[in-house]
Amino acid sequence: GAVVSQHPSWVICKSGTSVKIECRSLDFQATTMFWYRQFPKKSLMLMATSNEGSKATYEQGVEKDKFLINHASLTLSTLTVTSAHPEDSSFYICSAPEVGQFYEQYFGPGTRLTVT
Amino acid sequence: AQTVTQSQPEMSVQEAETVTLSCTYDTSENNYYLFWYKQPPSRQMILVIRQEAYKQQNATENRFSVNFQKAAKSFSLKISDSQLGDTAMYFCAFMTFHAGGTSYGKLTFGQGTILTVHP
Repeated sequence: GAVVSQHPSWVICKSGTSVKIECRSLDFQATTMFWYRQFPKKSLMLMATSNEGSKATYEQGVEKDKFLINHASLTLSTLTVTSAHPEDSSFYICSAPEVGQFYEQYFGPGTRLTVT
Repeated sequence: AQTVTQSQPEMSVQEAETVTLSCTYDTSENNYYLFWYKQPPSRQMILVIRQEAYKQQNATENRFSVNFQKAAKSFSLKISDSQLGDTAMYFCAFMTFHAGGTSYGKLTFGQGTILTVHP
């Protein structure tokens, strides 16, 4: 099956700094990618939809100025957590469907962010 | 808006036995997809099974099968001959079928059920 990678797999940053998380579709093109946030033993909450070549759409309650999303190519979306605070510590997961096949989504392995 | 409810936070089963995980959902749409995903301790999300709402036949994948009751908006997962590797958190998820809408491609997840398979 198709593969989605995330980098880094884990990151520790200091409060007030920014951190970038990459999501790549390795063997297929993805015009749309989705970003989720997950707390331990909790469900995945959709944060935003990343659209190649256009602005991301954010779910209600998600601060678009804090969670910057850029989808600059057909295989790469980035999530930048700006001015990170300890409450931003979480597990971030991306998913990507092949073009025209939204029912078949491939998940990245996730990125664990810890803000100290 | 769609909602997905998993009322069993934790379940346990003995190896080789059968277990059923429950899921109910609420939607006003007639066509949609339903999924069961598995998240093992590695936290990699793995698709277990997918059901298209317009199909009356219940989906099956080897030891995994679903009981899809559209009128009751129920979508349970049965795991037969449970194996230690089935230990994971299981999520039921909903996706709208209609292309082009604002919800297209978005997955709505239930709260999850932690399943432990005991030897």
